[in-house]
Amino acid sequence: AQRVTQPEKLLSVFKGAPVELKCNYSYSGSPELFWYVQYSRQRLQLLLRHISRESIKGFTADLNKGETSFHLKKPFAQEEDSAMYYCALSVPIQGAQKLVFGQGTRLTINP
Amino acid sequence: DGGITQSPKYLFRKEGQNVTLSCEQNLNHDAMYWYRQDPGQGLRLIYYSQIVNDFQKGDIAEGYSVSREKKESFPLTVTSAQKNPTAFYLCASSPFWGNTEAFFGQGTRLTVV
Repeated sequence: AQRVTQPEKLLSVFKGAPVELKCNYSYSGSPELFWYVQYSRQRLQLLLRHISRESIKGFTADLNKGETSFHLKKPFAQEEDSAMYYCALSVPIQGAQKLVFGQGTRLTINP
Repeated sequence: DGGITQSPKYLFRKEGQNVTLSCEQNLNHDAMYWYRQDPGQGLRLIYYSQIVNDFQKGDIAEGYSVSREKKESFPLTVTSAQKNPTAFYLCASSPFWGNTEAFFGQGTRLTVV
């Protein structure tokens, strides 16, 4: 069965410190992974996807198939990074695709 | 403002009543989805639709129903059969069924009183 696990419900770091949000997945096929973010009072939105291999707002995420991980990293945290972060896996369902989400990690950046 | 609009933002329902949550998009997207968000459980898929007049059950469809009579609209009805309906409901869309980048509405918080 497909599963996404984010082991940390809450993560708190100081401004300027490095940030790593962990994500592990379970999937037998070739994974397509995403990070979504929800800032306070805003809608859930895409942060980045692994196939584009880009850096958004200073965040990067590398797919490690050996460790089945897709951790989100940023070298220097900023206060505006405080938000809820979800890791998601795309899986096929009856000719379509669906997203399987992790439980989410609430990141708080302390001044 | 283009995008996905969910209404109402907050909804209260008495036990035993059906209630319908609205989701409208003006992005010309083919695929639409309904997710339920509970604390500590992430988002779970309720129903999805790839095209007008067609929809499929997701992982937790029991107690819910949907319709897709227009491309722009994908309303969700929470029926009295849903045993634990109090939750935050999110609607999403994507350009076509093979595109997995989802665009989300702002959600509806349903409370059963």
